[in-house]
Amino acid sequence: DTEVTQTPKHLVMGMTNKKSLKCEQHMGHRAMYWYKQKAKKPPELMFVYSYEKLSINESVPSRFSPECPNSSLLNLHLHALQPEDSALYLCASSLDSEQFFGPGTRLTVL
Amino acid sequence: SQQGEEDPQALSIQEGENATMNCSYKTSINNLQWYRQNSGRGLVHLILIRSNEREKHSGRLRVTLDTSKKSSSLLITASRAADTASYFCATSFNNDMRFGAGTRLTVKP
Repeated sequence: DTEVTQTPKHLVMGMTNKKSLKCEQHMGHRAMYWYKQKAKKPPELMFVYSYEKLSINESVPSRFSPECPNSSLLNLHLHALQPEDSALYLCASSLDSEQFFGPGTRLTVL
Repeated sequence: SQQGEEDPQALSIQEGENATMNCSYKTSINNLQWYRQNSGRGLVHLILIRSNEREKHSGRLRVTLDTSKKSSSLLITASRAADTASYFCATSFNNDMRFGAGTRLTVKP
């Protein structure tokens, strides 16, 4: 298995909802990442997990809460989001420097 | 936050022509990578060049790196309509990877 999968593909949520984005890889990669990408902009790093421990948190608001239950799974818990949080959320994993990206979750916050 | 700057922001060429995209960055790096993204989809890794390398080839792709000028270029030769996409450079230092603004390449058949 040489891919990163993300679910759901699309998510529409209200500002009071709680939802989670999921990411999975079975390539034995020990680093996993969350990025946020707005339309026509480059991806922006949000969080990095290395060996299941949070190693980088790019001053992301607390309404985004990452979780790494094991070496294959990465979650992003969402609560009380704002409409400006609407974006493509990309997950990636890496063994070395090359990062493998999932297809992303298109999030719309109403 | 964004690390690199890319130019041009948009490039439109005819099929068969070569496309050159440039990337500049500001801080120290371990390596520089180029990624491709089709509209609204995940990124695909194209090529990685380490800080001690100056040039690398992969198929129709040629990447150069000049660490003294903190710049890199991506050359796509003999372009095809299927090369139409956004291309991003990304600089890495440890696990921290930062993307440039990207170049939107359109290859007309």
